[in-house]
Amino acid sequence: DTAVSQTPKYLVTQMGNDKSIKCEQNLGHDTMYWYKQDSKKFLKIMFSYNNKELIINETVPNRFSPKSPDKAHLNLHINSLELGDSAVYFCASSQDINYGYTFGSGTRLTVV
Amino acid sequence: GESVGLHLPTLSVQEGDNSIINCAYSNSASDYFIWYKQESGKGPQFIIDIRSNMDKRQGQRVTVLLNKTVKHLSLQIAATQPGDSAVYFCAENNAGNMLTFGGGTRLMVKP
Repeated sequence: DTAVSQTPKYLVTQMGNDKSIKCEQNLGHDTMYWYKQDSKKFLKIMFSYNNKELIINETVPNRFSPKSPDKAHLNLHINSLELGDSAVYFCASSQDINYGYTFGSGTRLTVV
Repeated sequence: GESVGLHLPTLSVQEGDNSIINCAYSNSASDYFIWYKQESGKGPQFIIDIRSNMDKRQGQRVTVLLNKTVKHLSLQIAATQPGDSAVYFCAENNAGNMLTFGGGTRLMVKP
């Protein structure tokens, strides 16, 4: 059983389109995160939700909107995609920050 | 701003040798540190963690050392194997509810 699952794994789309990435965790964790990994492998926090409530919203364009229908799901919707949005997006979850995260396998987004 | 950094972006070692991956952190308030391994096409995987009240912790073939005086963290891998080839990240809990990641070190194991 996959602990943190993301779909799709690959996403190729044109500039200006709107797309969503879904994330689900079956670990019973209270907190979920979205990270962006650039071409140099740098991992940067985007959002964090705790029990469906936003607790971290780093400086990301407002074209990015996270949605958490329940504590097991944290989806990422991106409007008006730009070339610079091309990256690998990782979802993660944790029960307690002092015990680390469990990551999904990533979604590689390519904007052409 | 506060950051976690790495000295070497790429480390190449011979199979069977020991590997040491280093990490410098700048936030003295950080109290929890983790090493992650990321293989190609996969998400980061937890390897080992250490809390600030410790200076050494051992796992299976891996050891993490923490030097709070110089704000330095290292990951030692004994008898490095081809399967250890990956990008390794250190991360610190410095804001109470999120991890800040370093820039990563690519470990390449030569047969």
